[in-house]
Amino acid sequence: DGGITQSPKYLFRKEGQNVTLSCEQNLNHDAMYWYRQDPGQGLRLIYYSQIVNDFQKGDIAEGYSVSREKKESFPLTVTSAQKNPTAFYLCASSIQANTEAFFGQGTRLTVV
Amino acid sequence: DQQVKQNSPSLSVQEGRISILNCDYTNSMFDYFLWYKKYPAEGPTFLISISSIKDKNEDGRFTVFLNKSAKHLSLHIVPSQPGDSAVYFCAALGGGSNYKLTFGKGTLLTVNP
Repeated sequence: DGGITQSPKYLFRKEGQNVTLSCEQNLNHDAMYWYRQDPGQGLRLIYYSQIVNDFQKGDIAEGYSVSREKKESFPLTVTSAQKNPTAFYLCASSIQANTEAFFGQGTRLTVV
Repeated sequence: DQQVKQNSPSLSVQEGRISILNCDYTNSMFDYFLWYKKYPAEGPTFLISISSIKDKNEDGRFTVFLNKSAKHLSLHIVPSQPGDSAVYFCAALGGGSNYKLTFGKGTLLTVNP
């Protein structure tokens, strides 16, 4: 069953702790993305990767880090430097440029 | 600097009528536009797209219109159904990066039975 899998769906962390969100795709897509959704803000791009071992900062990369060691995987680490980490995080992938991106089901991160 | 704007946060229509969702953009380099539908606590799902070389694309009940001179696009849903109730996001590609999707803030559509 092809698709994008984000885990876990809900995640709770204490303030000051780093946390890594998982994103795996078996669609053989080259490009992968991380977005953040906040109420009234739409979707904002954190990082994206066009190809393995390469990634670029999006609009709100501060306090986040990523890696792209495998085509299928694009984990996002929310570091303690991120000032407002509580949000709904969405991972997406696309086969190539100028095509639609497919999204995972999201991870709701709550920092307490 | 918001490059993709959805100025109506919400829209309410009666079942069976037409829903029209609007989107404006400022970056003339955008050359591919998409509409996504999103339910609460779920990822967006792709609905329909349009290339800048076209002015209309139709898929069943969904039609997207593009007016390049006005930098405006709209999504028409006819007839509207209660299951269409969701947040609709307009997104654009291009503008210097063919991989970076830029989203609007979304419009909450409510279709009343």
